[in-house]
Amino acid sequence: DTGVSQDPRHKITKRGQNVTFRCDPISEHNRLYWYRQTLGQGPEFLTYFQNEAQLEKSRLLSDRFSAERPKGSFSTLEIQRTEQGDSAMYLCASTSRGGVQGEKLFFGSGTQLSVL
Amino acid sequence: AQSVTQLDSHVSVSEGTPVLLRCNYSSSYSPSLFWYVQHPNKGLQLLLKYTSAATLVKGINGFEAEFKKSETSFHLTKPSAHMSDAAEYFCVVSEPTGTASKLTFGTGTRLQVTL
Repeated sequence: DTGVSQDPRHKITKRGQNVTFRCDPISEHNRLYWYRQTLGQGPEFLTYFQNEAQLEKSRLLSDRFSAERPKGSFSTLEIQRTEQGDSAMYLCASTSRGGVQGEKLFFGSGTQLSVL
Repeated sequence: AQSVTQLDSHVSVSEGTPVLLRCNYSSSYSPSLFWYVQHPNKGLQLLLKYTSAATLVKGINGFEAEFKKSETSFHLTKPSAHMSDAAEYFCVVSEPTGTASKLTFGTGTRLQVTL
């Protein structure tokens, strides 16, 4: 399978713990996006990278969240001092073209985070 | 500012009957509009997109949508439902230019297909 892969699929953690998720995009894609999806809602934008540069961050991304894409390939999303409100599906998507009109996103299956 | 409203959270149809998933949008500019589908344990997949060309847009798996500016609608249709169409469908609005950071997703419509 040469699609976008995310690891782990599920993560259960206790409040206050740190968690890290990984996303491996399609290899030739230079843009990588992170979204968050809560129950009954559509995905909401968190941040995106073009190659290794983090170009935009949503106001949803509090200072407990950090994302990296060190070599312009895979990306990690870390949440420090998790809170119950962080419980959600975290989605990663990648694309190779700029501009919404030409930009077809390829999504991973997501990481489901449950904070107890 | 932009927003999208999916008028039904859940739609149930019988296999072989037409599908209609309703979406209204609000945008300060001429928007780009999309429909994405999310099957269980699968990533979101683009069904179709409207980007100011033809108002009737054909997508994958027999789906199509019509952009109606006067009604600010972008409803998704399919003539004959198949069991494999059962999934969550998201209507999405965006500024006509810019990156996918500008996508606004609706809350989704769960399509159930019965025998």
